[in-house]
Amino acid sequence: EPEVTQTPSHQVTQMGQEVILRCVPISNHLYFYWYRQILGQKVEFLVSFYNNEISEKSEIFDDQFSVERPDGSNFTLKIRSTKLEDSAMYFCASSDRGSGNTIYFGEGSWLTVV
Amino acid sequence: DQQVKQNSPSLSVQEGRISILNCDYTNSMFDYFLWYKKYPAEGPTFLISISSIKDKNEDGRFTVFLNKSAKHLSLHIVPSQPGDSAVYFCAAIAGSSNTGKLIFGQGTTLQVKP
Repeated sequence: EPEVTQTPSHQVTQMGQEVILRCVPISNHLYFYWYRQILGQKVEFLVSFYNNEISEKSEIFDDQFSVERPDGSNFTLKIRSTKLEDSAMYFCASSDRGSGNTIYFGEGSWLTVV
Repeated sequence: DQQVKQNSPSLSVQEGRISILNCDYTNSMFDYFLWYKKYPAEGPTFLISISSIKDKNEDGRFTVFLNKSAKHLSLHIVPSQPGDSAVYFCAAIAGSSNTGKLIFGQGTTLQVKP
């Protein structure tokens, strides 16, 4: 069964450092997303991406965050200067609108900022 | 922001019995609802969804019921199995937004006892 894959599974970084989280969405999907879950809290929407541009972003997705689809298969989330409160599980997801809005998630990348 | 609420943080049922997980929403623009299952340190796994034009959708042991007038949906698992023990998230989307922004509930931890 096709799946969304994410790397790394876990990253520890120093505050102020840049982090890039990588994702390979399901191959025939056209819509890509990043969500995150801070420990003990809800899964929260960060950003959606379609046709090489951001479709919608949440208030969490400030200037420190950016997304990119550098080639035909990868989708990345960059955090320019990490803060302690960025520590969370980051989930990449993708969907094919033809599938009735079902969004499929990757296994997550656990980011710890120290 | 409590647009999607799962008021029961936990539920415990005996193997073979029915598990009923509940979810309430407030935004009348939501027109597609999904249930995800999540294990610790893993991504949400899609279980079942329902469009607002339906009131019931069934897939194997899983059935989702939607009561639009009450803004309430529920997930029934029959019969429950120990492997169903996980956190279950209800999520909603306003399809007309076309951006894939899912709003998640807080989750309900289901424990199925052998």
